[in-house]
Amino acid sequence: DAGVTQSPTHLIKTRGQQVTLRCSPKSGHDTVSWYQQALGQGPQFIFQYYEEEERQRGNFPDRFSGHQFPNYSSELNVNALLLGDSALYLCASSFITDEQFFGPGTRLTVL
Amino acid sequence: DQQVKQNSPSLSVQEGRISILNCDYTNSMFDYFLWYKKYPAEGPTFLISISSIKDKNEDGRFTVFLNKSAKHLSLHIVPSQPGDSAVYFCAARIINAGGTSYGKLTFGQGTILTVHP
Repeated sequence: DAGVTQSPTHLIKTRGQQVTLRCSPKSGHDTVSWYQQALGQGPQFIFQYYEEEERQRGNFPDRFSGHQFPNYSSELNVNALLLGDSALYLCASSFITDEQFFGPGTRLTVL
Repeated sequence: DQQVKQNSPSLSVQEGRISILNCDYTNSMFDYFLWYKKYPAEGPTFLISISSIKDKNEDGRFTVFLNKSAKHLSLHIVPSQPGDSAVYFCAARIINAGGTSYGKLTFGQGTILTVHP
């Protein structure tokens, strides 16, 4: 049984560019949450998708947007990248509100 | 506003001894608490959890204690093993106004545990 998968593993972008990160949830899971983990910090909640809609959102600007597809996979989009967006982006999946399973993350570097 | 705090950035323990990791929180609306372990280049892995209606939960070598009045929880690892060396995150889940929870987790900053052979 494949766990949560994320792509790409690493990404380098320049300021002002746009980026799309992808996540496939664990089999049987219908809810996807995205977190940003800056160096030396704990993960910070960006938003959560359920039934293809954003259900909850953390304190992140509108430059951060997402999407959930009918197969429950999800994308995180970040527009107008800033240096401060450099971080590890984690995707977590769950069934309803059960325990969240995390993927290995996408390391984004903004130059 | 850091609602979940892990005030010890690191902890070093000898193999076989007890490791105690601490976590404090400020929001009384948290109803469920979790500990995650994270190795480099991997995502956090769920370790153990506790509901706010309990004060202790045990799973093998891992025990989590919750003191609601002090808004404090701790993770005890006995006996500690070198393979336990990782970053440990405390996380909390909040109840929404309607009494439901959508599972949003609020994490602490993490504690680096090193277990020496």
